Amino acid sequence: SQTIHQWPATLVQPVGSPLSLECTVEGTSNPNLYWYRQAAGRGLQLLFYSVGIGQISSEVPQNLSASRPQDRQFILSSKKLLLSDSGFYLCAWTLGGSTDTQYFGPGTRLTVL
Amino acid sequence: SQKIEQNSEALNIQEGKTATLTCNYTNYSPAYLQWYRQDPGRGPVFLLLIRENEKEKRKERLKVTFDTTLKQSLFHITASQPADSATYLCALDRGDYKLSFGAGTTVTVRA
Repeated sequence: SQTIHQWPATLVQPVGSPLSLECTVEGTSNPNLYWYRQAAGRGLQLLFYSVGIGQISSEVPQNLSASRPQDRQFILSSKKLLLSDSGFYLCAWTLGGSTDTQYFGPGTRLTVL
Repeated sequence: SQKIEQNSEALNIQEGKTATLTCNYTNYSPAYLQWYRQDPGRGPVFLLLIRENEKEKRKERLKVTFDTTLKQSLFHITASQPADSATYLCALDRGDYKLSFGAGTTVTVRA
C-alpha cells in the first residue's frame, strides 16, 4: 500500500533563517506531488506542483521554492523565512496522469518567530 | 474571479440528526468535485468524489449531491455521531491536475 511521510512534524524557526521540509511517498511510481499551506482557519493554498523529476510549477510568487530530486521525493525550501510563512504545510500525491483523489501527508506545523 | 464558499465556518448538531453542508462556487466549470475530512493537526482525508454527470453519490452515512446549474454541492451526514466531528472541505477540479479547496466547515456533534 502507499504511504506518504513528511518531516519534521513541527518546526520553530527565527525570521531570516533557512527552511527545508521533506516529503516522500512509498508504494507508487511517477506520482503527481503537491505542496500546500494552510493558515489558521483558512483553506488550503496550493504552493507547488510537480509531474516528474525536476518539473516544478509554482502557483504564487513568494520566497519559497520546491525541488523534486527523485521520483518520490519532494522538498520545500526557503533561503530566508518571513513571519508570514508560518502555517501548516501539507504534501499530497495523486496517481500520475490522474486528477482524482489526493492523498495527504501528516503535515508540518511551522512557526516563524 | 474564481471563488469557493462553504456555507458556514461552524455547524453544531445533536447526535442522530443530519448535518447538511453547502459548497457554492463561481467561475469554475469542474469536471468533478470532492469532499475531504480534516481532523485538528492532521492532513485531509478523501471521502467522496462526484462527477459533473452524476447527481448524487452515497457512501455509508454520507451523501453528496452536485448541481452544475446552481453551481452547488450539498454534503449530508445522516445519523450523525460525535466521531463525525471534524472540518469538512470541498475541493473543485481546476482541469490541470490541480484542486481548489474551500475554507471548510467545522462540524461538532453533541452527544
